[in-house]
Amino acid sequence: QVQLQESGPGLVKPSETLSLTCSVSGGSLTSYYWNWIRQPPGKGLEWIGYVYYSGSTSYNPSLKSRVTISVDTSKNQFSLKLNSVTAADTAVYYCARGRPGSYYAFDDWGQGTLVTVSS
Amino acid sequence: DIQMTQSPSSLSASVGDRVTVTCRASQTISNYLNWYQQRPGKAPKLLIYGASNLQSGVPSRFSGSGSGTDFTLSISSLQPEDFATYYCQQTYSTPYTFGQGTKLEIK
Repeated sequence: QVQLQESGPGLVKPSETLSLTCSVSGGSLTSYYWNWIRQPPGKGLEWIGYVYYSGSTSYNPSLKSRVTISVDTSKNQFSLKLNSVTAADTAVYYCARGRPGSYYAFDDWGQGTLVTVSS
Repeated sequence: DIQMTQSPSSLSASVGDRVTVTCRASQTISNYLNWYQQRPGKAPKLLIYGASNLQSGVPSRFSGSGSGTDFTLSISSLQPEDFATYYCQQTYSTPYTFGQGTKLEIK
């Protein structure tokens, strides 16, 4: 079973850029969609976007102007950058694998990392 | 965006009960509907994909049905570890969207 692990700063200042990496072990990035999802404290899940192993991307329009998701197949990892953050971006950020042969369902998730936006 | 609406938002039940959670999409999504379970402090876990397909390793007391706009998740005999929050998700089109969640609590 593939394992995903998020890493990055837990505290980001307002107006700065949030940067996270998801390292994938036990499997290849090939042929899957690699997603970022976030969950504000006590609230529901919001899909941020995905990167296909080939590098093509899709973003949530609500965040599109601020988001970049990229993939590095040589390191078996993918990354999220969210710029101009505010307190509303405080959330647990998850990475997850989307499986094309199973209706793109997210079958493996990282444990999540809390990112707090505060000065 | 496709809106996903779950009902109820919360539900109280006892061990051994059968429970059903409903999810409605704002437009047809064929059977691109997935169900997740989230326990406090943990990542969501895939239970059902494609409306009715049981994810490997998930107990058979979980089942899903529906197509088009209306879907259900059923748990046939609640176990203590099933008390959690459940989310539906559409992957028919981007942006992928989730329901608001159904919190299943012990009565």
